[in-house]
Amino acid sequence: AIQLTQSPSSLSASIGERVTLTCRASQGSSRALAWYQQKPGKPPKLLIYDASTLETGVPSRFSGSGSGTDFTLTISSLQPEDLATYYCQQFNSNPHEFTFGQGTRLEIK
Amino acid sequence: QIQLQQSGPGLVKPSQTLSLTCDISGDNVSNNIVAWNWIRQSPSRGLEWLGRTYYRSKWSKWFNDISGSVKGRITITPDTSKNQVSLQLNSVTPEDTAIYYCAREWAVAAFDNWGQGTLVTVSS
Repeated sequence: AIQLTQSPSSLSASIGERVTLTCRASQGSSRALAWYQQKPGKPPKLLIYDASTLETGVPSRFSGSGSGTDFTLTISSLQPEDLATYYCQQFNSNPHEFTFGQGTRLEIK
Repeated sequence: QIQLQQSGPGLVKPSQTLSLTCDISGDNVSNNIVAWNWIRQSPSRGLEWLGRTYYRSKWSKWFNDISGSVKGRITITPDTSKNQVSLQLNSVTPEDTAIYYCAREWAVAAFDNWGQGTLVTVSS
């Protein structure tokens, strides 16, 4: 089974700062990666799919990149509403399974 | 606008069956480019995918057999007459205590719409 390791596990950053979160897969996959934002008491919200495609309605300060085993989510200019936990997710087709990372908790300084 | 509305009990006794329903509006459970998933979240396990069902000229189902946490205990059933999908998890233990979500997955293997979540506590 593919394992996804996110780093850091938590991060404190200032408003306006550029923030980069990392997700590493235990094995390379032809399937791309998705990123989610989760705020307390809410379900996860899709931000990025196919590693770099921005979901409709998501602010352009969010961007994703990477391939193979290493992926990143970048917030170009951190905003107060970005306080949340961020998860990566990947699909493996043999057998069908979805795997989530353990999350990165983003705090505002 | 797609909405997933979950319903079901928040408290289940050990050894009994957890049953949740996800009512779909704005889409059709038989849509042949999406899949309907159940995912749970707990402090100990994080986000854990449980299983999915989808229609591609016939119904298919896949379950999380890797972690072993729900293997052999899970059923996911689509209901085309009610446009909903249900989850049943048998022989529950306190380790099954979690927030359960239904989620729509579309062609890019990502979950673009989620139910509101149901906290299910397994306790006597």
